Amino acid sequence: GAVVSQHPSWVICKSGTSVKIECRSLDFQATTMFWYRQFPKQSLMLMATSNEGSKATYEQGVEKDKFLINHASLTLSTLTVTSAHPEDSSFYICSARDGVWGGDTQYFGPGTRLTVL
Amino acid sequence: AQTVTQSQPEMSVQEAETVTLSCTYDTSESDYYLFWYKQPPSRQMILVIRQEAYKQQNATENRFSVNFQKAAKSFSLKISDSQLGDAAMYFCALGGQGGSEKLVFGKGTKLTVNP
Repeated sequence: GAVVSQHPSWVICKSGTSVKIECRSLDFQATTMFWYRQFPKQSLMLMATSNEGSKATYEQGVEKDKFLINHASLTLSTLTVTSAHPEDSSFYICSARDGVWGGDTQYFGPGTRLTVL
Repeated sequence: AQTVTQSQPEMSVQEAETVTLSCTYDTSESDYYLFWYKQPPSRQMILVIRQEAYKQQNATENRFSVNFQKAAKSFSLKISDSQLGDAAMYFCALGGQGGSEKLVFGKGTKLTVNP
């Protein structure tokens, strides 16, 4: 149980284009999902917290208009990187909290590697 | 502010031996959760073990156990009978109560298992 998927696992795009990353909880309902960014050999940096049906809460320094988060259902959250630039290249990881049975444990997706040319 | 400190950037252990990874934290909350996550080269974050702060008994999951010292704000992970597959980055994380509470991660400890 408690499986989280991410799609795509790897994406290359041109500078100026937008990229959407999906995060799905496959076998549980996730009232809250989190989006992280991880640079090589570093820890995870929380970008935003999203609750189903409401606006995401962004961490300080994260551009809301650049990283659009939508949590339209209890099993799906999306992160859209708008007008991507090379400095947005990174590893993006989502996590989901099982609000019914999982207590406060976050389960992580496998991550998405974004390369912006 | 909540903080998590992992003072060992790298550790190594011989296969079948035991290793302990250190973690200290700071929080003003009375109720919270502590986690150890493993990140192998695939970069998939895997939950290793979870501890509720209100529980005095140390959590155990097969070869993994913790030494939770609440007063000292210490939460170390012991890996017994180390296996090659245990090689990974290990992150200690602190979480508050409630659905939207964030996880605060330490910087991680890279564990190498030598055959």
